[in-house]
Amino acid sequence: GAVVSQHPSWVICKSGTSVKIECRSLDFQATTMFWYRQFPKQSLMLMATSNEGSKATYEQGVEKDKFLINHASLTLSTLTVTSAHPEDSSFYICSAIGGGQGTDTQYFGPGTRLTVL
Amino acid sequence: AQKITQTQPGMFVQEKEAVTLDCTYDTSDPSYGLFWYKQPSSGEMIFLIYQGSYDQQNATEGRYSLNFQKARKSANLVISASQLGDSAMYFCAMRGGTGFQKLVFGTGTRLLVSP
Repeated sequence: GAVVSQHPSWVICKSGTSVKIECRSLDFQATTMFWYRQFPKQSLMLMATSNEGSKATYEQGVEKDKFLINHASLTLSTLTVTSAHPEDSSFYICSAIGGGQGTDTQYFGPGTRLTVL
Repeated sequence: AQKITQTQPGMFVQEKEAVTLDCTYDTSDPSYGLFWYKQPSSGEMIFLIYQGSYDQQNATEGRYSLNFQKARKSANLVISASQLGDSAMYFCAMRGGTGFQKLVFGTGTRLLVSP
C-alpha cells in the first residue's frame, strides 16, 4: 500500500515552454501532497504544500506564478513549470500523506528529472 | 526552528556487517516525528522507519532499527546484516508538532556496502 506515482519520469524541453508533472496516489486518498526539488548531491527542498480543493502554500522564495500547483482531486496533484529556463532543470519529486498509519508519513513518488535546453 | 543534522557525508560497511547512521535534531516542539528515508541512485525516496517523540520503545522494521535517545536529541538508524542493495543515500527527517506535516530533511549520508 501507499504507492505514489509520477509522470513523466523524465522530460526534456526547450527554454520558454511549459511542462506539467503529475503526482498520483494510487491506492489511497491524499488530502495533502508536497512538491520538492532536489539538486545533484543535495537534500530535498520543499517547494509547496498542496491541499485538495484549495490553493497551494508555497515556501519562501518559490515563485508561485512560475510553479503552478493544482490539487484537483484526492489522488492527483500537478506541478506546472511555466516558461521553463535552464536554471529550472532539476529533479522534482512529490509526496503524499496517507496509508492510514496515523503518523503523517510521507510516501514519495519516483521523481521527475527535468532538463531545459 | 527545526533542524536535522547528519554529520557523516559518507559511510562504508562490509556486507553482512551492521552500520549506524547518525542523526541529531533540534526542536522546541514537545510532539514531533522522526523519519528515515533511503534514496537509491534511481532517485525514489523509500520510507524506512518512523519514531514518534512519545514512543517509549525504539522503532524497528526488519533489518532497520532506530536508536532514539530523546535526551541527546539523536535518532540514529541502525542497519543490521548489510546487503549490497543497501548502498544508497539515507536521509533523516523530522515532522513538527501536531498538525504540522512538513518535513525537514538532513543533508544525507551516502552508504556504500562492499562485498
